[in-house]
Amino acid sequence: EVQLVESGGGLVQPGGSLRLSCAASGFAFDSYAMDWVRQAPGKGLEWVSFISSSSATIYYADSVKGRFTISRDNAKNSLYLQMNSLGDEDTAVYYCARDYRKHLDHWGQGTLVTVSS
Amino acid sequence: ETVLTQSPGTLSLSPGERATLFCRASQSVSSSYLAWYQQTPGQAPRLLIYGTSSRANGIPDRFSGSGTGTDFTLTISRLEPEDFAVYYCQQYGSFRLSFGGGTKVEIK
Repeated sequence: EVQLVESGGGLVQPGGSLRLSCAASGFAFDSYAMDWVRQAPGKGLEWVSFISSSSATIYYADSVKGRFTISRDNAKNSLYLQMNSLGDEDTAVYYCARDYRKHLDHWGQGTLVTVSS
Repeated sequence: ETVLTQSPGTLSLSPGERATLFCRASQSVSSSYLAWYQQTPGQAPRLLIYGTSSRANGIPDRFSGSGTGTDFTLTISRLEPEDFAVYYCQQYGSFRLSFGGGTKVEIK
């Protein structure tokens, strides 16, 4: 069974940093691209970032480019999102998702990031 | 950047009725890269349809997708109680994914 479990969310002050993790199991992690998607409270889904299976290709949404860094460790079956210079607009539930041909076929349950002073 | 506009914003229907949800793109989308997701309160989204019309694993056949170019449709032939949820379309293009704003299907 495919499982994706996010961790690392929490309360952070504006301008602060946070690193999210996503632990994958139940599939060949090193064969799949992965994405981060976020959802602000009461709002819709917003794609954040993409990383290919080998980390050779990485994309970011304009809203996070230059502040967020996606990475993965295939030996540890783990995906990461380093978030810097956080602002109120980054408050959201962050989901990791498995990317299969540009659609997201499995999602984690999400981790909440709250940016507030 | 391709913007997806979903309509209606809210659909009020009764169980057993047919639901038709629309997703319009600001520019042409490859049919291979149009997907639909369902999200119930407090839960992660679930993939329903990919490649415009292919159902994901375990998705009942009352869900169907169609469309081409800039206009896509998700149809639920007969609403079951568990189908009342928010639905999102999603596309890939120009090195990014994007989602529509969602359609809420609520019980009338």
